[in-house]
Amino acid sequence: GEDVEQSLFLSVREGDSSVINCTYTDSSSTYLYWYKQEPGAGLQLLTYIFSNMDMKQDQRLTVLLNKKDKHLSLRIADTQTGDSAIYFCAERDSGYSTLTFGKGTMLLVSP
Amino acid sequence: KAGVTQTPRYLIKTRGQQVTLSCSPISGHRSVSWYQQTPGQGLQFLFEYFSETQRNKGNFPGRFSGRQFSNSRSEMNVSTLELGDSALYLCATSSGDSYNEQFFGPGTRLTVL
Repeated sequence: GEDVEQSLFLSVREGDSSVINCTYTDSSSTYLYWYKQEPGAGLQLLTYIFSNMDMKQDQRLTVLLNKKDKHLSLRIADTQTGDSAIYFCAERDSGYSTLTFGKGTMLLVSP
Repeated sequence: KAGVTQTPRYLIKTRGQQVTLSCSPISGHRSVSWYQQTPGQGLQFLFEYFSETQRNKGNFPGRFSGRQFSNSRSEMNVSTLELGDSALYLCATSSGDSYNEQFFGPGTRLTVL
């Protein structure tokens, strides 16, 4: 079965880099996602990567994928207080719409 | 381009009542998926509709149902509400030809008393 795990909490100082980690279990062709949720809001799609890729960069965001260990990370460069939110890792089998989410990592950025 | 809209944003009901939530997708999106978010269980998939047909279903009791209209707007219904149904209900929409990008609405916060 599918299972996505994340660490629950990360605290960083403004201007530092943040790295949020995730492990997944699905072994079929898979898309892997990062979503951001701010208090009282829905989920904002940040980026996604297909399981045959190693890395994807989009402005301050870098996604790294270790296929052997089924480990996914999201690096946020120059973290700002506005980045404080819950970050969800999710996986999706390429044949289906269903997203399987981790429990989320709360990122707290202090000035 | 307008985003995904969900109505109402907040709802308070009592046990035993039923409730209907609505989701209007991004223009051109034909797939609508529903998720339940609770502190204990996290985000769980309820069902997906595409072209007015349920295409995929999660592991929820039959009290949870949905439908989709010809304009791709979707509704979900929960009958005989239980305290445990209190949650944030989110819908996500995509073109349906590709699920690569799924965009979420702001959610409906349901409180069951």
